Amino acid sequence: NAGVTQTPKFQVLKTGQSMTLQCAQDMNHEYMSWYRQDPGMGLRLIHYSVGAGITDQGEVPNGYNVSRSTTEDFPLRLLSAAPSQTSVYFCASSGQTDTIYFGEGSWLTVV
Amino acid sequence: QKEVEQDPGPLSVPEGAIVSLNCTYSNSAFQYFMWYRQYSRKGPELLMYTYSSGNKEDGRFTAQVDKSSKYISLFIRDSQPSDSATYLCAMSSGSGNTGKLIFGQGTTLQVKP
Repeated sequence: NAGVTQTPKFQVLKTGQSMTLQCAQDMNHEYMSWYRQDPGMGLRLIHYSVGAGITDQGEVPNGYNVSRSTTEDFPLRLLSAAPSQTSVYFCASSGQTDTIYFGEGSWLTVV
Repeated sequence: QKEVEQDPGPLSVPEGAIVSLNCTYSNSAFQYFMWYRQYSRKGPELLMYTYSSGNKEDGRFTAQVDKSSKYISLFIRDSQPSDSATYLCAMSSGSGNTGKLIFGQGTTLQVKP
């Protein structure tokens, strides 16, 4: 049972490049979300989804796109990377129980 | 002002001590309160989950919620070196399992042998 799988774990981008952070869960969870974690800021919600085909913005959505074509996958797209997007990104999923499961994180550096 | 405030520490205690971690919040709509533990270079993992006010105990961990004061606490009894981690409080106004959480900044705890 893999749980929540994020790829890549580490990535260096140049300013202006685009990329996609992948997130997959194998628990048939309807809820999935993306957070970023910065020093002294805790985790902040970027986008979330309550089911396939349904997404909405969180606290810090600018510069990011998401889609949810299947229950299992919830990719996060950086459209034109900026140094301010240097962060650690966490994907999370949850179902009908209280527990929200987080992935191991993706470390992104934009130079 | 952030919706959720948490003292970032670091907090250093000797093994066996009682640890108290706290968060304050400003949004009276918050109903679900959680504590997560995060080890270095890992994702957060759920420790405690509480709905509305009251206490909840799980082994060495006790979570308290005081909605009248907008204040939540996590107590760790008989702290162990393996408890050394960052502890994050999180809150939600909707159902607590949807993934829409507001987090505190996290408190870094070190338990010295």
